[in-house]
Amino acid sequence: RKEVEQDPGPFNVPEGATVAFNCTYSNSASQSFFWYRQDCRKEPKLLMSVYSSGNEDGRFTAQLNRASQYISLLIRDSKLSDSATYLCAQRHQKVTFGTGTKLQVIP
Amino acid sequence: NAGVMQNPRHLVRRRGQEARLRCSPMKGHSHVYWYRQLPEEGLKFMVYLQKENIIDESGMPKERFSAEFPKEGPSILRIQQVVRGDSAAYFCASSPPQRGNNEQFFGPGTRLTVL
Repeated sequence: RKEVEQDPGPFNVPEGATVAFNCTYSNSASQSFFWYRQDCRKEPKLLMSVYSSGNEDGRFTAQLNRASQYISLLIRDSKLSDSATYLCAQRHQKVTFGTGTKLQVIP
Repeated sequence: NAGVMQNPRHLVRRRGQEARLRCSPMKGHSHVYWYRQLPEEGLKFMVYLQKENIIDESGMPKERFSAEFPKEGPSILRIQQVVRGDSAAYFCASSPPQRGNNEQFFGPGTRLTVL
C-alpha cells in the first residue's frame, strides 16, 4: 500500500463550484500533513498545513481525520486560477507526497 | 529573503556524462531534500540532508547517484554516467531547523534531459 494515496482525477468543475479532494495515508504515526499546489512544469507551492482541529484560509478548508487516516481539502467558489494539481503530503521522519489530484475549473 | 535557489534550471547531457545539480536553501534553513518528478507523475523522495550529514537516502538509486550538503556552499546532487531514464525534473526543498510542522519550500527545479 502506498504511503499516501490520492485520486488522480481530473476533476472538471464549473467556475463557482465547490470541490473536495481526499487523501489517505497509511502510517498512523504520521505527525504533520500538508496540501501543496503545483502548476504545470512549476515547483510545488505550499497551500496550507493541516491541523488536527481543521483550518481555513479564505476559500480553502483543510481537515484531518486521524481515525480514518485521511485529510481533505475543500475549495469553495472555484476560480479559473485554481486549475492546478493538488498534492497532499504527510511527514513521519521524512515528507512523503501523493501523486496529486488534477483540478480543471471550466468557465 | 530569497527563496530556494536551484541551478541550472535546464541541463542537457549526453549518455555517459555527469550531471551536477545545485541547491541553495532559504536563508536560515539547514534541512535540504531532493525529489525527482517524471512527467505526469508524483514527487519521488530521493534524499534528506542536513549540513554535512545524510539523514535519509532511502530514495536514492544504489548506483550513480550521490548527494552532499557541505558546511559551506550549496547542496549538490550528482548523477554519474547518466542514462535516458534519468531525464526528469529534480526539485530541491528546504525547511528550517526548529521543531514543528517542518513545512518544506521548493526551488524552481532543474530539468535534466539526457540525449
